[in-house]
Amino acid sequence: EIVLTQSPGTLFLSPGERATLSCRASQSISSTYLAWYQQKPGQVPRLLIYGASSRATGIPDRFSGSGSGTDFTLTISTLEPEDFAVYYCQQYSSPALYTFGQGTKLQIK
Amino acid sequence: QVQLQESGPGLVKPSETLSLTCAVSGGSISTINYLSWVRQPPGKGLEWIGQIHHSGSANYNPSLKSRVTILVDKSRNQFSLRLSSVTAADTAIYYCAKNGGYNQDYWGQGTLVTVSS
Repeated sequence: EIVLTQSPGTLFLSPGERATLSCRASQSISSTYLAWYQQKPGQVPRLLIYGASSRATGIPDRFSGSGSGTDFTLTISTLEPEDFAVYYCQQYSSPALYTFGQGTKLQIK
Repeated sequence: QVQLQESGPGLVKPSETLSLTCAVSGGSISTINYLSWVRQPPGKGLEWIGQIHHSGSANYNPSLKSRVTILVDKSRNQFSLRLSSVTAADTAIYYCAKNGGYNQDYWGQGTLVTVSS
């Protein structure tokens, strides 16, 4: 089973700053199979990025994804107050198994 | 736009079977490739439970495979989750979701299931 490790566990930043969240896989995965989600307290997870770098419908362009192989990054270019949340990466592996990282909590400094 | 809504008991006794249903609206379940169940223990991360194709073919997380059954009912446009021999560790918010490629792009609101006597 492929394990995803997210870092840091908690990230303290201020609105207007740039956020860089990391997701490392225990073995190489196809970029096609890497997604990012945002979850605010008491809310449902929301798909942000799929295929490592494609934004889901309605996602602002301040969110971007990059990476390949075992190292993937979610970047929020300029933090808005509504961006403070928990972020999860997810991967799919054949024959059919999805696993999530443990999450990065983005908190206001 | 597809909408999903979970329903089922909010309290299940230890060793019994948890049963949930997800009603799909805004489109026929026969046009959706895969539908998934995902759970989240209170204050913790996300765990994918399994998925089902509208044909009835299902895949499960190996960590839960011995206890999980996911079924589809096309006539009612819904699918279901059954998790047997539950313990307190199965207490979680259970989400149903539509797969979009290799991810889950539409989610239900989730339902909290507590395992307790």
